[in-house]
Amino acid sequence: DGGITQSPKYLFRKEGQNVTLSCEQNLNHDAMYWYRQDPGQGLRLIYYSQIVNDFQKGDIAEGYSVSREKKESFPLTVTSAQKNPTAFYLCASSLGTGKEGQHFGDGTRLSIL
Amino acid sequence: GENVEQHPSTLSVQEGDSAVIKCTYSDSASNYFPWYKQELGKRPQLIIDIRSNVGEKKDQRIAVTLNKTAKHFSLHITETQPEDSAVYFCAAMGSGSARQLTFGSGTQLTVLP
Repeated sequence: DGGITQSPKYLFRKEGQNVTLSCEQNLNHDAMYWYRQDPGQGLRLIYYSQIVNDFQKGDIAEGYSVSREKKESFPLTVTSAQKNPTAFYLCASSLGTGKEGQHFGDGTRLSIL
Repeated sequence: GENVEQHPSTLSVQEGDSAVIKCTYSDSASNYFPWYKQELGKRPQLIIDIRSNVGEKKDQRIAVTLNKTAKHFSLHITETQPEDSAVYFCAAMGSGSARQLTFGSGTQLTVLP
């Protein structure tokens, strides 16, 4: 779905470094989500936001942080506290939480140097 | 919270045969069940969904069935084609306050020519 843009496509992190993954949507969706995908596993929810200036922890929030200062943007920071950050990160949005039809971005693949 | 189990993890079929992927869920209050298709390195794409007030839904070669009593739902793909090869994820929308999607672990479907 062209309405959600994630950048960069590939990202490398050094030990002790924080990195930020970008997610922008032009679908006028209220809700946005961050998922982590590991090989052979499903998508696990990191954080979600139902509205601007509000966000909630998902199932695996430790070592991650987010902000939602604008409706269109929901950046994810992978902090140095996340000891196993290598994964495929997917951003999604929907009209609202509890409203069907989550649309996904193309993802960011994060690796450790 | 919601728990979704998906089987099998891998499935190989001959072109033209049918493929069936099954999921079970734990939250009897869940009422929305989407299926996503994810090709290698790409975003998950919604291919079909079903709500709990419907027992079956069909869209060309794809169908989904839901058994609320047994708390399981299945994806059926008929007349499979090589381009159907991908990872398929089921999900369930639970009854928590934010009504998030919980995903199954995925099924790698390979259609052999």
